Amino acid sequence: DAGVIQSPRHEVTEMGQEVTLRCKPISGHDYLFWYRQTMMRGLELLIYFNNNVPIDDSGMPEDRFSAKMPNASFSTLKIQPSEPRDSAVYFCASSFPGWGVDTQYFGPGTRLTVL
Amino acid sequence: AQKITQTQPGMFVQEKEAVTLDCTYDTSDQSYGLFWYKQPSSGEMIFLIYQGSYDEQNATEGRYSLNFQKARKSTNLVISASQLGDSAMYFCASNSGYSTLTFGKGTMLLVSP
Repeated sequence: DAGVIQSPRHEVTEMGQEVTLRCKPISGHDYLFWYRQTMMRGLELLIYFNNNVPIDDSGMPEDRFSAKMPNASFSTLKIQPSEPRDSAVYFCASSFPGWGVDTQYFGPGTRLTVL
Repeated sequence: AQKITQTQPGMFVQEKEAVTLDCTYDTSDQSYGLFWYKQPSSGEMIFLIYQGSYDEQNATEGRYSLNFQKARKSTNLVISASQLGDSAMYFCASNSGYSTLTFGKGTMLLVSP
């Protein structure tokens, strides 16, 4: 079975540009999470969805960040406009608590560099 | 709110030896899960092992086992017979029910030949 798929794996952009990160969760998983990892702040939860509905976006740093989940197999995280301090690794993870253990499985991450 | 503490920023171990990575958690919930993830230099987050708060037995998964001490609120990861490929960052995390994961800051493990 395919794991969580993220694209692109690497993104280099210039300050002010729009950046869109994509995620395909594991089929059948009904929770989807977006995390950001930096050396200074570690792993931070940005937002999570249940059955395509955003449940908690309190971790989204600013209005420049937005996330959508139009269907059960696709989610996007958009940064507009991007800034150098947004440089980080962005992870998508999914889980299905209905299987008894609420294990989150992570995608490979997108390494974002904003120049 | 939950808090995860990993007090060892870095650990060194020789190949084939066992190593213990410490993790303590702070929660007032009765039902919670404890997780360990491995992050090698390639960057992916790999799920290793899980312990439920009501599990009476320590979890084991191959060379990985947990030393779960509920009264002390600790769940230490034991890696037996270390291999060079075990060199990575290790994160402890917890949740309550179906809430989100709270991660520790991680421990960097280096395995030497």
